[in-house]
Amino acid sequence: NAGVMQNPRHLVRRRGQEARLRCSPMKGHSHVYWYRQLPEEGLKFMVYLQKENIIDESGMPKERFSAEFPKEGPSILRIQQVVRGDSAAYFCASSSWSGTEAFFGQGTRLTVV
Amino acid sequence: QQQVKQSPQSLIVQKGGISIINCAYENTAFDYFPWYQQFPGKGPALLIAIRPDVSEKKEGRFTISFNKSAKQFSLHIMDSQPGDSATYFCAANKGSSNTGKLIFGQGTTLQVKP
Repeated sequence: NAGVMQNPRHLVRRRGQEARLRCSPMKGHSHVYWYRQLPEEGLKFMVYLQKENIIDESGMPKERFSAEFPKEGPSILRIQQVVRGDSAAYFCASSSWSGTEAFFGQGTRLTVV
Repeated sequence: QQQVKQSPQSLIVQKGGISIINCAYENTAFDYFPWYQQFPGKGPALLIAIRPDVSEKKEGRFTISFNKSAKQFSLHIMDSQPGDSATYFCAANKGSSNTGKLIFGQGTTLQVKP
C-alpha cells in the first residue's frame, strides 16, 4: 500500500514562473491537506481539500496560491509568479476522513532562483 | 490562541539518557495532541498522540505526559538511541472535527550522542 506520493521531490523555478506541486493521497483517502515548512521552522497549515471541494483555505496566501483536488487525479498546489520567499518544503498529508490520523508525504522542496 | 510553543529548540542527550521536549498551548478547544518525528529530507511521521481524557500515554520508549490545567504536554524518550536523532514536532488540533488541520510547534532538533 503506497503512502502519500508527492512529485516532484525537488523543483527549481526562476522568479516569475509558475510552480505546480502534485500530491496523490493514500489509497482510500479522500481528504488532503497542504502544509508549508520554511527553513528552521515548523509546518504551517495552508489548505484542506476533499474531492472537488476546498474545505478550509485559511492558511493560504491571498494571492498567487491556489489548490485543487479534482474528482480524478492528484491534488495540485499551484503557485503563480513565484518569488524567493516561496522557497520552502511543501508537504501534503491525507486521511480517510477528517477525524483520523493524517499521513504525510515526503514533500516537494521548491527553490526559487 | 492558535499557537503551540515548543522548547527547547535543540537538545543533546547521551545514549541511554532521557530526552524531554515540552509544549504549551492556549486554545482550550484543542483536544488532540500528536508528536511527529522528522528525519532530514523526509516527511513528518506520527510517533504518538494523546487526547485530554488521559494524563499519560506510553508506547515503547516514548511517553506523552499531559497536564490539562497547565495546558502543557511533553514527550519523554527513554533510553535514547543515536537512531532517535531527528527533529520532533508537537502539534495540536480540535481533533473531534478535523485531525488533519494541525497547529505545529517550532520543532526540537534532538541529537543523541553515542
